[in-house]
Amino acid sequence: QSALTQPHSVSGSPGQSVTISCTGTSSDVGGYNYVSWYQQHPGKAPKLMIYAVSKRPSGVPDRFSGSKSGNTASLTISGLQAEDEADYYCCSYAGSVVFGGGTKVTVL
Amino acid sequence: QVQLVQSGAEVKTPGASVKVSCKASGYIFTSYYMHWVRQAPGQGLEWMGIINLTGGSTNYAQKFQGRVTMTRDTSTSTVYMELNSLRSEDTAVYYCARIEVGGDRYFDLWGRGTLVTVSS
Repeated sequence: QSALTQPHSVSGSPGQSVTISCTGTSSDVGGYNYVSWYQQHPGKAPKLMIYAVSKRPSGVPDRFSGSKSGNTASLTISGLQAEDEADYYCCSYAGSVVFGGGTKVTVL
Repeated sequence: QVQLVQSGAEVKTPGASVKVSCKASGYIFTSYYMHWVRQAPGQGLEWMGIINLTGGSTNYAQKFQGRVTMTRDTSTSTVYMELNSLRSEDTAVYYCARIEVGGDRYFDLWGRGTLVTVSS
């Protein structure tokens, strides 16, 4: 199974919104709602930010939101804050688990 | 306290094997599956496989089949991942991460990772 496609990097100023795309196929992202997103700061383990496409775990700020259209899922960070600077990975779990290549979010 | 505690860093020579442990605590061990995910330096996340903690059945990513073995000890709530025939490309941080049985298939808890360095 091929990795999901994410942009290498996105950036925005504090308070702005950024959106990270995650493109797969009808066999993974498009066919199931088992899409999740993880935030990873340098030297740390990944942290769950979004699951089941658009659900937010308790404790995750509501400025993080997820959506899906066709074979592409998206993570939007609204009201960007300095602590949001990190790597973000999408993940699809259809028959097996596949991750995106990761997107570095830079807060300007 | 709900947590996954992994074993310490390892340094191995090419061709050797490594066995990493992941001890679960604070929750019902068999209510979750355990997965292993690795991350090479400066690279992304790579899924290695899953072990069913109730029956012990496994499913490995094709890339690792024949080289990886995942086992569990329900008496100590510990999961193990053994990787054989190590090569330099296996240098990575290895994470265990759980997924709830019957849930929405997301990793809600991760270990802190175990750095495995393969070098001659």
